[in-house]
Amino acid sequence: DAKTTQPPSMDCAEGRAANLPCNHSTISGNEYVYWYRQIHSQGPQYIIHGLKNNETNEMASLIITEDRKSSTLILPHATLRDTAVYYCIVRPPRSNTGKLIFGQGTTLQVKP
Amino acid sequence: NAGVTQTPKFQVLKTGQSMTLQCAQDMNHEYMSWYRQDPGMGLRLIHYSVGAGITDQGEVPNGYNVSRSTTEDFPLRLLSAAPSQTSVYFCASKGTRGYSTDTQYFGPGTRLTVL
Repeated sequence: DAKTTQPPSMDCAEGRAANLPCNHSTISGNEYVYWYRQIHSQGPQYIIHGLKNNETNEMASLIITEDRKSSTLILPHATLRDTAVYYCIVRPPRSNTGKLIFGQGTTLQVKP
Repeated sequence: NAGVTQTPKFQVLKTGQSMTLQCAQDMNHEYMSWYRQDPGMGLRLIHYSVGAGITDQGEVPNGYNVSRSTTEDFPLRLLSAAPSQTSVYFCASKGTRGYSTDTQYFGPGTRLTVL
């Protein structure tokens, strides 16, 4: 699996957009970009994933650069409940081991 | 759907005691796995299963046993607990047949302390 690099921490004002970057310069052509988050003391939660095109769901948007070497997770209107550690993970499709490599992630602190 | 459920939520053991952490999912997922998370660290894969009757080791399997007799359940057994096994344990599941991607669903965790 390709390695990812994320800033260790970020702050965001409540109600503003939170933009979380991720570098994955060694990503392979068939690997997807996944984002999970872990709110304190809870299990990780799937947010969104993408391959080439930008994606949007009810939780967030994912912007992947044209060369696919980096991506940005966007929480359009951050709330205090979005305070969590956000993990960017790159994986091939249909991996039998299912092993998710959670790096250190980005700790997002949403402030009132 | 209840999703992925884990019991108990909290457990305190003495060194040498045995116990089983329970994990169940009602999404008919073929793949299930166990992770442990230590303070300030990421999740590490202990064991996983790609279907009933099939299990395999992850990156930190020592001291843990698993079995998969049904699609729904994937218990994790500690035969002789050690203080080094003090951690938070998460169970996860995902569909495989007919799925092109790898979205996993996690349980709420079991917080284990071994004295």
